[in-house]
Amino acid sequence: GAGVSQSPSNKVTEKGKDVELRCDPISGHTALYWYRQSLGQGLEFLIYFQGNSAPDKSGLPSDRFSAERTGGSVSTLTIQRTQQEDSAVYLCASSPGSLAATDTQYFGPGTRLTVL
Amino acid sequence: QKEVEQNSGPLSVPEGAIASLNCTYSDRGSQSFFWYRQYSGKSPELIMSIYSNGDKEDGRFTAQLNKASQYVSLLIRDSQPSDSATYLCAVNDMNRDDKIIFGKGTRLHILP
Repeated sequence: GAGVSQSPSNKVTEKGKDVELRCDPISGHTALYWYRQSLGQGLEFLIYFQGNSAPDKSGLPSDRFSAERTGGSVSTLTIQRTQQEDSAVYLCASSPGSLAATDTQYFGPGTRLTVL
Repeated sequence: QKEVEQNSGPLSVPEGAIASLNCTYSDRGSQSFFWYRQYSGKSPELIMSIYSNGDKEDGRFTAQLNKASQYVSLLIRDSQPSDSATYLCAVNDMNRDDKIIFGKGTRLHILP
């Protein structure tokens, strides 16, 4: 079956513009995660969804970042008034069940965001 | 205190030797432990998960868990150049809705 997909694969934007990143999880997966990874760095957790609700938003770097998930499926991560430090690869992952403690996360290919 | 710690490396290992990757974690209540591999420019992919103390073997990979010492390791036998990648340790955090916390990863370089 299809894996996690993300779009766009690459996004170049100007400082101050808003961007929207999309994640399509594996069908039936209830948990969805957003991470950010700067060049040569580890995974930085942003937000976690269980169904449509977000039990943990603690990783969002500022109020310019927001995310939503509708219908327990597609999620969008929105960054308003982008800054150069927002440049990174944004990774989405999904996992099958409600037991985050034991579920494998399946990662999408990522969106590479470049803010000029 | 960092929640999941790994040596950033690079760890250089000759081809055919055993590569040993280590990870320590701070949450004593953690129950689930994962090793992911990430090739440069690619997304992480799961190699192994382990939930009980002791060893778990899968092909050339062995995960070792010691909950008393809060330590999990990954051994790669007969290392191949294709094993060169960054290896991420991940642990569930009982204090944060069981969220999975990733370490920053260890870069492994297998020398041909």
